[in-house]
Amino acid sequence: DIQMTQSPSSVSASVGDRVTITCRASQGISRWLAWYQQKPGKAPKLLIYAATSLQSGVPSRFSGSGSGTDFTLTISSLQPEDFATYYCQQANSFPALSFGGGTKVEIK
Amino acid sequence: QFTLKESGPTLVKPTQTLTLTCTFSGFSLSTIGVGVAWIRQPPGKALEWLALIYWDDDKRYSPSLKSRLTITKDTSKNQVVLTMTNMDPVDTATYYCARRPLIAASGTSHFDYWGQGTLVTVSS
Repeated sequence: DIQMTQSPSSVSASVGDRVTITCRASQGISRWLAWYQQKPGKAPKLLIYAATSLQSGVPSRFSGSGSGTDFTLTISSLQPEDFATYYCQQANSFPALSFGGGTKVEIK
Repeated sequence: QFTLKESGPTLVKPTQTLTLTCTFSGFSLSTIGVGVAWIRQPPGKALEWLALIYWDDDKRYSPSLKSRLTITKDTSKNQVVLTMTNMDPVDTATYYCARRPLIAASGTSHFDYWGQGTLVTVSS
């Protein structure tokens, strides 16, 4: 199975800060990576797919980059509604899909 | 608009079989490229993918849980059913169903619409 490792596991930041979250795959997955945002008690929300494609309706302050084994989610200017937990997901269906352990973005 | 909703028991006993139903609207599982997956999340923990069924009835399972899982679809009812046998307290989690969009590249899957989730507790 492909293991996904996110770092950091948590980050404290202020409104307006630039925040970067990293996801590393245990083997190459080309550009097949998605990012989700999850708020407490809610279902995850798709932000980015295919590593860099912004899902419709998602603010442009969210961006994704990377390919192969190393990927990054960047929030260019953190807003109050962005405090949440973020998950990466490797999207290669074979042999199995998998999620990272999550990164909690907290208020400093 | 696309919606999905999970239904099933909130409490099951150890060793029992869990049956969850995902009822969706706004799309059809007969549309080429579309799929529906089950994903779970134990309290306070990360997401875990369980199973995925495609429009053509192809099925994929988490290797670690494959022996316990069965996913099926009823296209006429717009439903996907997941069964998990031999339930254990460690299976206590919120179970989500989610849609694989048709724009997903062949051989890949991400999920653009999710149900609200249903909490299943395993306890005697």
